[in-house]
Amino acid sequence: NAGVMQNPRHLVRRRGQEARLRCSPMKGHSHVYWYRQLPEEGLKFMVYLQKENIIDESGMPKERFSAEFPKEGPSILRIQQVVRGDSAAYFCASSPSTGSSYNEQFFGPGTRLTVL
Amino acid sequence: GIQVEQSPPDLILQEGANSTLRCNFSDSVNNLQWFHQNPWGQLINLFYIPSGTKQNGRLSATTVATERYSLLYISSSQTTDSGVYFCAVEETGFQKLVFGTGTRLLVSP
Repeated sequence: NAGVMQNPRHLVRRRGQEARLRCSPMKGHSHVYWYRQLPEEGLKFMVYLQKENIIDESGMPKERFSAEFPKEGPSILRIQQVVRGDSAAYFCASSPSTGSSYNEQFFGPGTRLTVL
Repeated sequence: GIQVEQSPPDLILQEGANSTLRCNFSDSVNNLQWFHQNPWGQLINLFYIPSGTKQNGRLSATTVATERYSLLYISSSQTTDSGVYFCAVEETGFQKLVFGTGTRLLVSP
């Protein structure tokens, strides 16, 4: 059973360009979460999605950032007009939908974004 | 929002030593997870432990939800245990994880 997949693993963009980060959850998982880790810091929640729905985007910056989890295909985190402060590791996690309180999250390897 | 504090912030051990890492949280939680972030940046699930005690090899964890803390025990440490250990909690009513500030562990040979 493959784990959470993220690509690309490393992404370099110049200021003003767009960054697209992809996440495929574990098989059987229908909940996807995005987190950001700035250098030397802990992870901070950004957004929680289920198929075709954004459930909680309370951690997402109001401008330039968007996320989707379409019916078919991976979840996408999109950052428009990147700035140097967007340089960070972006982690995706997934959890199963069991109808119970069990909600263990499993993390992908992350995408390291560098903005020049 | 909920606050999650970890101690100690840094820990240096000789190979073979034992250690205890602590995680305190400020409100009731549905779930609690411990992670190891290795030097390559990967997050490894260690324990899913909203309450009680679990053991996995040289590692064990205990969560006392009523007193709002969790402990991670590492016995007979090895150099491969080096990295950052994070505690993360899921606050009641939410499904996002709130991470602590981490404990940076260095195990020397």
